[in-house]
Amino acid sequence: SQELEQSPQSLIVQEGKNLTINCTSSKTLYGLYWYKQKYGEGLIFLMMLQKGGEEKSHEKITAKLDEKKQQSSLHITASQPSHAGIYLCGAETPIKTSYDKVIFGPGTSLSVIP
Amino acid sequence: NAGVTQTPKFQVLKTGQSMTLQCAQDMNHEYMSWYRQDPGMGLRLIHYSVGAGITDQGEVPNGYNVSRSTTEDFPLRLLSAAPSQTSVYFCASSNAGELFFGEGSRLTVL
Repeated sequence: SQELEQSPQSLIVQEGKNLTINCTSSKTLYGLYWYKQKYGEGLIFLMMLQKGGEEKSHEKITAKLDEKKQQSSLHITASQPSHAGIYLCGAETPIKTSYDKVIFGPGTSLSVIP
Repeated sequence: NAGVTQTPKFQVLKTGQSMTLQCAQDMNHEYMSWYRQDPGMGLRLIHYSVGAGITDQGEVPNGYNVSRSTTEDFPLRLLSAAPSQTSVYFCASSNAGELFFGEGSRLTVL
């Protein structure tokens, strides 16, 4: 079965600093999701990547899927306290229908110090 | 547009009791799923469904049952609750794209 690992497990950065979170899969990624969760709240969709080498940006957050489609990185530029929360990567795992079940990594907890 | 609605938001059970977590979506999504979230464990897939009448097990299905009689509803049943099932439960739906999540249901089993 496919497994996802995230690194680092937790991160504390000073406001204004850049940071990167990594997501590594044990198998080829057919679709990779990034979600953010504020502590004690629901999940916010950030972006989805499907093609090797694909890169997407939303405000100050950029995510990229590597060419081999087994690793994705999420980069935050000039971090702000509003970026604090848990970042989760999720991967589609192919099943026999056209819909793929989605599993998630353990999450990366980000704290931003003003 | 309500999106994905989960009820109840909070529930306390005693060991051995049964209950059902309700999940409804109004987006006509074929795919629905249930996850549990525990500290440091991310989201773990319990059961999922790719359409009415079709369900399958995820990563941690033991102790949970599901059914999908309509496209809109995907209830999660705990037949005999155990303290290990204390968790936050999320329901999600999708049409082969972004997963839309409910707000979560916090369950405590004493």
